[in-house]
Amino acid sequence: AQTVTQSQPEMSVQEAETVTLSCTYDTSENNYYLFWYKQPPSRQMILVIRQEAYKQQNATENRFSVNFQKAAKSFSLKISDSQLGDTAMYFCAFMKPREYSGGGADGLTFGKGTHLIIQP
Amino acid sequence: DVKVTQSSRYLVKRTGEKVFLECVQDMDHENMFWYRQDPGLGLRLIYFSYDVKMKEKGDIPEGYSVSREKKERFSLILESASTNQTSMYLCASSPLGQANYGYTFGSGTRLTVV
Repeated sequence: AQTVTQSQPEMSVQEAETVTLSCTYDTSENNYYLFWYKQPPSRQMILVIRQEAYKQQNATENRFSVNFQKAAKSFSLKISDSQLGDTAMYFCAFMKPREYSGGGADGLTFGKGTHLIIQP
Repeated sequence: DVKVTQSSRYLVKRTGEKVFLECVQDMDHENMFWYRQDPGLGLRLIYFSYDVKMKEKGDIPEGYSVSREKKERFSLILESASTNQTSMYLCASSPLGQANYGYTFGSGTRLTVV
């Protein structure tokens, strides 16, 4: 079974600073996907960024980027020029694709989350 | 705008009641999921379904059942609600065989059992 560990329960930074959220995972799989989700106080889980394990290039989405270290099983999220609207719970998640068609679903395993607070 | 809709945002029920949490998606997704979210525990999978009338247990199915009679609707049932089922419940959906899609989530139902 896969496990996902987020070692920072809570982080607080000043607006406009850069912040990095850490995530490690444990798997014996070679093909998988990694995601960061954001959950603001409105509770709507929003996909921030995704990374495919077979791609060596780190994914970026505007101010959000990841540092994917496959050998170390590490997948950190960097938020540049942080904004007040970035205040949220952030969840790292791992997905192992189904091994065969016709059965099961691609299931996400989540970490316990990091509560990020952006201070004005 | 694609959407996963959970019928109730807040719900208060009494111990022993049968509780239905409804989830509807408009994206024609095959997969649907129910998670519960508790502080310090993250999201834990209760049940999922990858086709109509198909269901599989997740990590914490005890005390819950599910129903999927139509592709767009996935219901979570608490047969006899207990106080330890007080939690946030999140529904999600995804297309079959597209692992890189991730999930689309609903806005959650905060259930309190008194």
